Amino acid sequence: AQSVAQPEDQVNVAEGNPLTVKCTYSVSGNPYLFWYVQYPNRGLQFLLKYITGDNLVKGSYGFEAEFNKSQTSFHLKKPSALVSDSALYFCAVLGYSSASKIIFGSGTRLSIRP
Amino acid sequence: SQTIHQWPATLVQPVGSPLSLECTVEGTSNPNLYWYRQAAGRGLQLLFYSVGIGQISSEVPQNLSASRPQDRQFILSSKKLLLSDSGFYLCAWIRDGYNEQFFGPGTRLTVL
Repeated sequence: AQSVAQPEDQVNVAEGNPLTVKCTYSVSGNPYLFWYVQYPNRGLQFLLKYITGDNLVKGSYGFEAEFNKSQTSFHLKKPSALVSDSALYFCAVLGYSSASKIIFGSGTRLSIRP
Repeated sequence: SQTIHQWPATLVQPVGSPLSLECTVEGTSNPNLYWYRQAAGRGLQLLFYSVGIGQISSEVPQNLSASRPQDRQFILSSKKLLLSDSGFYLCAWIRDGYNEQFFGPGTRLTVL
């Protein structure tokens, strides 16, 4: 069965420093991987996705993610954090054999201090 | 462009009362549709998904049901609400194929 894990409930970073939010996945076949962000009392917003091609994927708001097949990881990164990046971040996976279901991780709360 | 609507935005209901949450998508046809519940601002639990009119897949046994009476309409229902049904309910859609989901603004349900 496909699954995705976000090992950190919370990540705290100072403004201007680089940030990383971790994600690992388990899926049979080629994975389709996504990152979403959620602001308080709002729906999720799509940030970026990996389907195929370059392992480094660039997305919205300066975020990027690196697909690592050997480590089954898809960590979200940003070179310089902003206070406005503070939100709840979800990693998600769509397995090749489950065309209609996207499974989400438990979420990581990112807090950027001024 | 495509948009997704959910209503109501907030709802307070007594235990044992019925529920009907509606989700509609505009600007696309034959979308895959999903209902999620999010408890306490954390992880998303997939409740139901639908690949077409009248086709509903249930992920977990529960007090809720879903229906898709029209191509772009997805309804979440309950005959008798429980306290544990409280949460933030999100509807989402996806184009056919391996693409990202787009989420509605959500409905916050409080059962008292």
